[in-house]
Formats: sequence, C-alpha cells, structure tokens
Amino acid sequence: AQSVTQLDSQVPVFEEAPVELRCNYSSSVSVYLFWYVQYPNQGLQLLLKYLSGSTLVKGINGFEAEFNKSQTSFHLRKPSVHISDTAEYFCAVSENTGNQFYFGTGTSLTVIP
Amino acid sequence: GAVVSQHPSWVICKSGTSVKIECRSLDFQATTMFWYRQFPKQSLMLMATSNEGSKATYEQGVEKDKFLINHASLTLSTLTVTSAHPEDSSFYICSAPRQGWNSPLHFGNGTRLTVT
Repeated sequence: AQSVTQLDSQVPVFEEAPVELRCNYSSSVSVYLFWYVQYPNQGLQLLLKYLSGSTLVKGINGFEAEFNKSQTSFHLRKPSVHISDTAEYFCAVSENTGNQFYFGTGTSLTVIP
Repeated sequence: GAVVSQHPSWVICKSGTSVKIECRSLDFQATTMFWYRQFPKQSLMLMATSNEGSKATYEQGVEKDKFLINHASLTLSTLTVTSAHPEDSSFYICSAPRQGWNSPLHFGNGTRLTVT
C-alpha cells in the first residue's frame, strides 16, 4: 500500500531563514506529487505539483520542491521564510492511475520573528 | 494507522443512480468534516463543510440537491451523489480537523467514482 511520510511534525524557523519540509513516499508505480498549505482559519490551498517533466517544481509564494525518484522524496523548500508562511503543510501523492490519493500527516511550520 | 476512514475506495455506477460515500473519524469526534473533489491533475476543490447536527455549508457553485451531505453523528458524515451522471466521475476526499474546526486535518484515502 502507498504511504506518505512527513517526518517533521513541527518545524520552527526564524524569519528570513531557509526551510526544508521533508516528504517521502512509497510507491512502485508512477505518481503525481503535491504540496498543500493550510493557513490558519482557511482551507487547503495548492502550493505546487509535480506531474511530469522537470524535477524541480516552482510554486506560489516562493516555494519550490524537487522530485527525487531514486529517493522517493519530494521535499519542499523556501530560501527565506516570512511570518505569513506560518501554516500547516501537507504532502500528497496520487498514483497516476488516479485510483488513490494519499496525504501525509502534515508539518506545522512556525516562523519566529 | 488511519484515523479517518472513507468507504468505498472506489465505485462504479450507472448514470441516474445514487451513490453514498461514508467518512468516519475512528478515534476522535469530529463536529466538522470537509468534503473535497479532485479533477484529474488538478487541485482539491472544497465542496462543502459538514456540520454535526445541522445543515452542511456548500461552496459556491456546488449543487446542494445533487450532493447531499448528512452528518448524523460525531464520527460519521456521508456524501450522497444523487442521480449521478458521467460528469460527476471524480475523486472525492473527506477530511476532519483533529481538534476543533480550525486545527490541522486528517484525510480519508478518497473515493474514486466512475459513472458509466
């Protein structure tokens, strides 16, 4: 069965520092990969997605993620975080057969002024 | 293990029939649950917010008579797709906040609906 692992449940980081949120998945088939963000008092919002092509994907708000097939990872990065980046971040994987969709347990990013 | 169970994981039905999808919180009570729909290669779209003991809140453009939501208990919300048509074929996912409506979410594994 597919699984998505976000090892870090909480990540505190100082403002303007870089951050990496880790995501690993298990799958023997081709997948689509997503990062979603849940800001306080709001619903889910898509940050970025990998469907095919370049393994480095750029998303909104300065975030990017790199798909590493050999390591089955899709880590999210931002070179300089802002207070407004404080939120819950979810990694998600969909097998490209479209028959399942899996979420990680989320990483709570707290940006410290 | 999973804390939100969604059933069935996939279903095929004929046009004109109705399909019920269940979302259960397994070890916590969820006064609020969210129902999402995902089109291929696109982001999740929030359809409605299910509230225990009261009417669901539907997002703009979602037909409430088409997508019936019932949240009869603190651990179960159901989404019924009535008179399904092929354009209703999609991936439906439920989620529930861990603690209170504004807390991080647990997700079900989704239901793939195919209407023939």
